[in-house]
Amino acid sequence: KAGVTQTPRYLIKTRGQQVTLSCSPISGHRSVSWYQQTPGQGLQFLFEYFSETQRNKGNFPGRFSGRQFSNSRSEMNVSTLELGDSALYLCASSLASGGYGYTFGSGTRLTVV
Amino acid sequence: QQQVKQSPQSLIVQKGGIPIINCAYENTAFDYFPWYQQFPGKGPALLIAIRPDVSEKKEGRFTISFNKSAKQFSLHIMDSQPGDSATYFCAASKETSGSRLTFGEGTQLTVNP
Repeated sequence: KAGVTQTPRYLIKTRGQQVTLSCSPISGHRSVSWYQQTPGQGLQFLFEYFSETQRNKGNFPGRFSGRQFSNSRSEMNVSTLELGDSALYLCASSLASGGYGYTFGSGTRLTVV
Repeated sequence: QQQVKQSPQSLIVQKGGIPIINCAYENTAFDYFPWYQQFPGKGPALLIAIRPDVSEKKEGRFTISFNKSAKQFSLHIMDSQPGDSATYFCAASKETSGSRLTFGEGTQLTVNP
């Protein structure tokens, strides 16, 4: 079966712009979580959505937001981009909420210039 | 209390060697401990996971050892191969709705031929 699909794979944006990243989970998976990966901070939890409801949120500023649609697809949005937002953004899906049995996508590499 | 400490940061072994990666956690509420393998340009992939009621779990060449009293767990890779060269992450979570995975800092493993 198809894995977790993230689009786009690469993005270059300018400081101050906003960006929207997309994640299509594995069919039947209702939980989608987002993580930011950087060399300095490692893998940091952004938020989790389950059945269109945000179940948990990490310690990121309000510029980072997300949503989940009725088909479980999820988007995350970052407004007013800063240089420090340059990172690999990873989406993971699972059957149940709570971090168990995550399958990660290949990520979106965001570069802010 | 949410931290997971991973060591070493990098590890080089010869083919056939047994690399060992260690992790320590603080939060005694954690009850799910997975290991992930990540290749360049890919998202982390679940390798093996353990729960605290088990002291050891093997899947193929990968073994997790778990010491609940010391709050430590480790990954052993038997008969390591050059194809095992990747970054390995330990993680921990409390398996309840809305929980998140807390990741270690990662270990870059190189297996020389």
